[in-house]
Amino acid sequence: GQQLNQSPQSMFIQEGEDVSMNCTSSSIFNTWLWYKQEPGEGPVLLIALYKAGELTSNGRLTAQFGITRKDSFLNISASIPSDVGIYFCAGQTARNAGNMLTFGGGTRLMVKP
Amino acid sequence: KAGVTQTPRYLIKTRGQQVTLSCSPISGHRSVSWYQQTPGQGLQFLFEYFSETQRNKGNFPGRFSGRQFSNSRSEMNVSTLELGDSALYLCASSVTSGSWGYNEQFFGPGTRLTVL
Repeated sequence: GQQLNQSPQSMFIQEGEDVSMNCTSSSIFNTWLWYKQEPGEGPVLLIALYKAGELTSNGRLTAQFGITRKDSFLNISASIPSDVGIYFCAGQTARNAGNMLTFGGGTRLMVKP
Repeated sequence: KAGVTQTPRYLIKTRGQQVTLSCSPISGHRSVSWYQQTPGQGLQFLFEYFSETQRNKGNFPGRFSGRQFSNSRSEMNVSTLELGDSALYLCASSVTSGSWGYNEQFFGPGTRLTVL
């Protein structure tokens, strides 16, 4: 089946540093999404990308939808302790295939104050 | 506005038993999707229900089933439980489904199922 390869699997950084993570796929996706999950909670949507080449920001977060539609990246600038969590990329294929999402394996982010 | 609620939050069962999990979507949302989250396989799509009909199904055995009621609440059932069914089961609701474009999904906190 379809798979999203997300890297890195984990990152341990100093507060204030910038972070970058990415997802690649062998299949084309029409929508790319980035979620954050904290302990005991479900994933929360951070950024949604709908068009190839699109670059979108949400505060300190910036994400891009790759031109080939097979990849996406998420950057977090000036990290703070509350950025700790697991970040997931997710993709949706056919626009009329309902709400089914394919998720990457996640990037566990740890921030040292 | 209340979020997605899932009950129970924690559950312990033994192999061979069956289990039913419940999900109440955000008021006004008609689509409910279920996902299984495990350390080894990550987040995997189980199925989606919209207007009481199964719209999509992931690659899971027939032991996993679900349904949706007229008030959009959904249940999923796992029969003949196996050790590998231990996981966090997440449900997500969305206003609609099937229209062109992405319909934002809001996730509940999940039900953690442990099979002994």
